[in-house]
Amino acid sequence: AQSVTQLDSHVSVSEGTPVLLRCNYSSSYSPSLFWYVQHPNKGLQLLLKYTSAATLVKGINGFEAEFKKSETSFHLTKPSAHMSDAAEYFCVVTLSGGYNKLIFGAGTRLAVHP
Amino acid sequence: SQTIHQWPATLVQPVGSPLSLECTVEGTSNPNLYWYRQAAGRGLQLLFYSVGIGQISSEVPQNLSASRPQDRQFILSSKKLLLSDSGFYLCAWSIQGDQPQHFGDGTRLSIL
Repeated sequence: AQSVTQLDSHVSVSEGTPVLLRCNYSSSYSPSLFWYVQHPNKGLQLLLKYTSAATLVKGINGFEAEFKKSETSFHLTKPSAHMSDAAEYFCVVTLSGGYNKLIFGAGTRLAVHP
Repeated sequence: SQTIHQWPATLVQPVGSPLSLECTVEGTSNPNLYWYRQAAGRGLQLLFYSVGIGQISSEVPQNLSASRPQDRQFILSSKKLLLSDSGFYLCAWSIQGDQPQHFGDGTRLSIL
């Protein structure tokens, strides 16, 4: 069965320092993986997606993630945090079945301090 | 380009009152459509999904129902709201296959 574990519920960084949000997945087949960001009282915005092409995926707003099959990980990184990056981040894996069901991680709240 | 609209943005309803939330998608045909609920400080729970007009699948037993009267319209309803129905409701769409879903801005529902 597919599942997603976000290893940190809260991450706090200073503006201008690197961001690392960790995600491990479990899947019985080659999955598609996504990272979404949610700002307060807003919907989820797609940051990036991995769909079995290049293992290093670049997304919007300077974020990127690397798919590591041997470690079953899909960590999200950004070289330099900006105040506007403060939000909730969700790692997501697909459950194949025609209707594209998504399995969400519990989320990581990122705080960025000046 | 494709867009998704949800309304209203916020709603305050008394216990026992009916509910109707609407979601429409523009710029695509025959999308998969989804309703999620997000409780405060928690992840997303899939409530319903639809792969076509009139085709609704329910993920969890509950006080809510969904309908898809048109290809790009998805409605979430209740005849009598409960306090436990409070939350942030999100509509999403996707194309077929292992593709990401695209979300609306959500409706904040408070039950008094």
